[in-house]
Amino acid sequence: QQQVKQSPQSLIVQKGGISIINCAYENTAFDYFPWYQQFPGKGPALLIAIRPDVSEKKEGRFTISFNKSAKQFSLHIMDSQPGDSATYFCAASTGGGFKTIFGAGTRLFVKA
Amino acid sequence: GAVVSQHPSRVICKSGTSVKIECRSLDFQATTMFWYRQFPKQSLMLMATSNEGSKATYEQGVEKDKFLINHASLTLSTLTVTSAHPEDSSFYICSARDLGQGREAFFGQGTRLTVV
Repeated sequence: QQQVKQSPQSLIVQKGGISIINCAYENTAFDYFPWYQQFPGKGPALLIAIRPDVSEKKEGRFTISFNKSAKQFSLHIMDSQPGDSATYFCAASTGGGFKTIFGAGTRLFVKA
Repeated sequence: GAVVSQHPSRVICKSGTSVKIECRSLDFQATTMFWYRQFPKQSLMLMATSNEGSKATYEQGVEKDKFLINHASLTLSTLTVTSAHPEDSSFYICSARDLGQGREAFFGQGTRLTVV
């Protein structure tokens, strides 16, 4: 499978701080980059997504930064809260089959 | 957002038996559904893609005779784990796409399968 590399594997942030998760891809055919949040025992839920023709997208406390030339994108969670503690997955998909390939995941823990 | 319902949420079965997991799109027509497998503290691994009315496309390394996928209608796909063994124990998750919603895929809540 085509890979999406995600880092860090785990992240601890103080309440109110900024959480930053990074992803990189190689397949230039990817044209849709979603981020998912998953709580234990639950399915992933879409947080925010971006297309490669946009360099940044913000929705509330969540921002995606996208660098097409570097084939990298990142998720920033501003004013991180304990309720944000979850596993976050970056992903990528292509047109046509629309298969979604997931990164390895980042376990975020926000300390109160 | 659209709702995808997966059933059952948990199932325990004896080794050698078969288990069926259902994935339903409740308020949209899902022309394409995806089945994933997730081991503890690991990522989601795509197992197969199913399109309504046609055979599923399996990812490399996934046994199609072991994991039977049926997508008989625009709102229902099923995954049957045949002759289950303890190594099949995992978290299985489906997702579905609604063409009217663009590129987003909506995920079910997952099924925890334990084979004893």
